Amino acid sequence: EIVMTQSPATLSVSPGERATLSCRATESVTSNVAWYQQKPGQAPRLLIYGASTRATGIPARFSGSGSGTEFTLTISSLQSEDFAVYYCQQYHNWRRTFGQGTKVDIK
Amino acid sequence: QVQLQQWGAGLLKPSETLSLTCAVYGGSFSGYYYNWIRQPPGKGLEWIGEINRGGDTNYNPSLKSRLTISVDTSKSQVSLKLTSVTAADTAVYYCTRGPRRIAGAADDWGQGTMVTVSS
Repeated sequence: EIVMTQSPATLSVSPGERATLSCRATESVTSNVAWYQQKPGQAPRLLIYGASTRATGIPARFSGSGSGTEFTLTISSLQSEDFAVYYCQQYHNWRRTFGQGTKVDIK
Repeated sequence: QVQLQQWGAGLLKPSETLSLTCAVYGGSFSGYYYNWIRQPPGKGLEWIGEINRGGDTNYNPSLKSRLTISVDTSKSQVSLKLTSVTAADTAVYYCTRGPRRIAGAADDWGQGTMVTVSS
């Protein structure tokens, strides 16, 4: 099983600031990583796939990078609607796995 | 605008079988992998398994012995059955799908079904 480890568990950021979330895989997943955003009481929403491609309708302030085992989700200037929990997922291996999540809250 | 609409029993007793169905409305059914993902209360996401239109499946090994995912292309539906449930299976269950080129990722999500296992 490929374990995805996200850091930090919680990130406190002021509106307008940049947020950088990390995700590390226990073995190479090439670029087969997705990022999701989940708000309370809602289903997750796909933000990024292929490590760096924004899904349809996702604002340009969200960007993804990385390959192999190290991945980053960057939110360039946090808006009020961006405070949420973010999950990474690998779909390189047939046994898909998620990170444990990073909560982005208001500083 | 595609919709994934899911339904099934929300309250089960231990040892019963969890059954959920997910229907696709407003979009193509083919060319996608359909996933089931669950989320225990207050916890993270767990991938349960997936199926494609042709019926090829992948299951989470931790659930494989109790799990069946099936597809009915005539109705544009996928189904999940999980036998011998326990309290540990209490979670919100999501039906999701992603296009073949990113098979395993979840682009579209159902509304979620809260399933509680309690005696």
